[in-house]
Amino acid sequence: QIQLQQSGPGLLRPSQTLSLTCDISGNSVSGNSVAWDWIRQSPSRGLEWLGRTYYRSKWYTEYTLSVKSRITINADTSKNQVSLQLNSVTPEDTAVYFCVRGFLNALETWGQGTLVTVSS
Amino acid sequence: DIQMTQSPSSLSASVGDRVTITCRASQNINNHLNWYQQKPGKAPKLLIYAASSLQSGVPSRFSGSGSGTDFTLTISNLQSEDFATYYCQQSYSLPRTFGQGTKVEIK
Repeated sequence: QIQLQQSGPGLLRPSQTLSLTCDISGNSVSGNSVAWDWIRQSPSRGLEWLGRTYYRSKWYTEYTLSVKSRITINADTSKNQVSLQLNSVTPEDTAVYFCVRGFLNALETWGQGTLVTVSS
Repeated sequence: DIQMTQSPSSLSASVGDRVTITCRASQNINNHLNWYQQKPGKAPKLLIYAASSLQSGVPSRFSGSGSGTDFTLTISNLQSEDFATYYCQQSYSLPRTFGQGTKVEIK
């Protein structure tokens, strides 16, 4: 059974860096037919895809344009986890963040979600 | 970016009803359309992928159809556990985009 366990701080000040990790069990992070996506959800923006990483003989990452200058998604094969970093956060980055396993072009398995609040 | 538009935004229905939710894409996405169910405080759950394929473990009362720009999620014989919010999502191109959601409430 594939499980994704997220961890990371829930309260940040403006200009700080959001850092979340997603521990993967039941699947290798470098599996050849999967991707690891990060998605966030807020009342104002709805569900918003942020980016993904995946391994196909080498590592690839893709990001949405609106956060491309601030975001980094990495995979750590030694820990079988993926991470999300979002720099210079503002209150607009307040949302529930999800780590998601992508398979067969769908978002198949979701982490439990992490509420991140950005407030001074 | 591809815009996804769902209708209605909300609906009221009774147990046993047949419910239909529609999703329209701003351009042709072939069959690259997925449906999710979300309950309050929980992560979305994949129901249907590739427009009409039922995800493993999902009850057969859920079905999807459509191709191109217009898609439908149908719930036949609505059950109490089906009251939730439903989202469509396109997987044709990046960035992945979602509909705004349809909330199914108890009449």
